[in-house]
Amino acid sequence: DSGVTQTPKHLITATGQRVTLRCSPRSGDLSVYWYQQSLDQGLQFLIQYYNGEERAKGNILERFSAQQFPDLHSELNLSSLELGDSALYFCASSTRGLAGSTDTQYFGPGTRLTVL
Amino acid sequence: GQNIDQPTEMTATEGAIVQINCTYQTSGFNGLFWYQQHAGEAPTFLSYNVLDGLEEKGRFSSFLSRSKGYSYLLLKELQMKDSASYLCAVVGGGSYIPTFGRGTSLIVHP
Repeated sequence: DSGVTQTPKHLITATGQRVTLRCSPRSGDLSVYWYQQSLDQGLQFLIQYYNGEERAKGNILERFSAQQFPDLHSELNLSSLELGDSALYFCASSTRGLAGSTDTQYFGPGTRLTVL
Repeated sequence: GQNIDQPTEMTATEGAIVQINCTYQTSGFNGLFWYQQHAGEAPTFLSYNVLDGLEEKGRFSSFLSRSKGYSYLLLKELQMKDSASYLCAVVGGGSYIPTFGRGTSLIVHP
């Protein structure tokens, strides 16, 4: 158990809908990262938050957004869902996550999103 | 960005030794991670190398050669539970966030 929690574990929804995925980092970690993992793409970095602020952006679609709250939990919002958004979504956390430091990321159990 | 290459799949026998290779191309190399991921589960941290050489941790060892852009993960005394995907992730190119390879699916058979 990494100490990172994610809810829900599974989510089934329809095209065009909007969903919110939730993540709580390990105690003491300030950075949260979101990743998408599909069979044909591998693990793709979406976005990072550090202590409430957006810090780095990867291959995140404009239909997706995220935020990190004062208690450091994070939410990933996916809207106007398409079939191709079906994937495993992982959250990871690290102690810092700033330029000049290479932190180990610890991953949550993931949310499996199925868009029908 | 980084270009990371790992074999797609490997098979090995229980009790044996297997070496999973990872080659990469990046500027400003800042470290390499290995993660283990069982199907449908979270990646779990195995090792981190930033200097050349071998890091040993129980049955698992990881090696890095920065000049060759090469790393390997060595698994000894293979067990059935070692059947999983092994992800190589490189930090470089001016980013502190690792880029993950596609992973190597290891199948351990009796």
